[in-house]
Amino acid sequence: EIVLTQSPGTLSLSPGERATLSCRASQSVSSSYLAWYQQKPGQAPRLLIYGASSRATGIPDRFSGSGSGTDFTLTISRLEPEDFAVYYCQQYGSSHLTFGGGTKVEIK
Amino acid sequence: QVQLVQSGAEVKKPGASVKVSCKASGYTFTSYAMHWVRQAPGQRLEWMGWINAGNGNTKYSQKFQGRVTITRDTSASTAYMELSSLRSEDTAVYYCARDPGDLTIFGVVIGWFDPWGQGTLVTVSS
Repeated sequence: EIVLTQSPGTLSLSPGERATLSCRASQSVSSSYLAWYQQKPGQAPRLLIYGASSRATGIPDRFSGSGSGTDFTLTISRLEPEDFAVYYCQQYGSSHLTFGGGTKVEIK
Repeated sequence: QVQLVQSGAEVKKPGASVKVSCKASGYTFTSYAMHWVRQAPGQRLEWMGWINAGNGNTKYSQKFQGRVTITRDTSASTAYMELSSLRSEDTAVYYCARDPGDLTIFGVVIGWFDPWGQGTLVTVSS
């Protein structure tokens, strides 16, 4: 099983600032099969990024993903008020699909 | 648009079973796989398994093998997840989520999730 470790656990930032979230895998994620989701309280997760760097339909371009192998990053270029939420990475490079523990982006 | 609507909250006693439904609309149900993912309080999201809604083939996480059964009713465009031998640790929100790959074109389950159902809270308590 590929274990995904997200850091930091919590990120305290102000609107307009840049957010950089990390996701590290215990072994290489084949073909950069990594996705990112946003989850707000009481809601289901929403897909942001797949294939490590492809934005899902309707996702603003302030969200970007990068990385390969074992190290991946989600960047939010300028935080909007609606971006404060929990973010999860997920790998689908192995048949046993796994998620990271999440990073909470909170208002400073 | 693609929409997944799940059944309502359930309260079950330890040892019982629960069956959660997920009704799909807005696309050809049998052309995609459906996944089930759960989120226990304070825990990370956890993938449970998927079903190929076309041929009914399933794949389960080893953690839930033997306790989970995923089925579908193509006439109702509905997928189901049944979890048996419930214990308190199974208290969680259970989500269905569609796989992005059209099985009639790609023939394989891809493994990310979009969209998701609204979630169903299952509480296991004596």
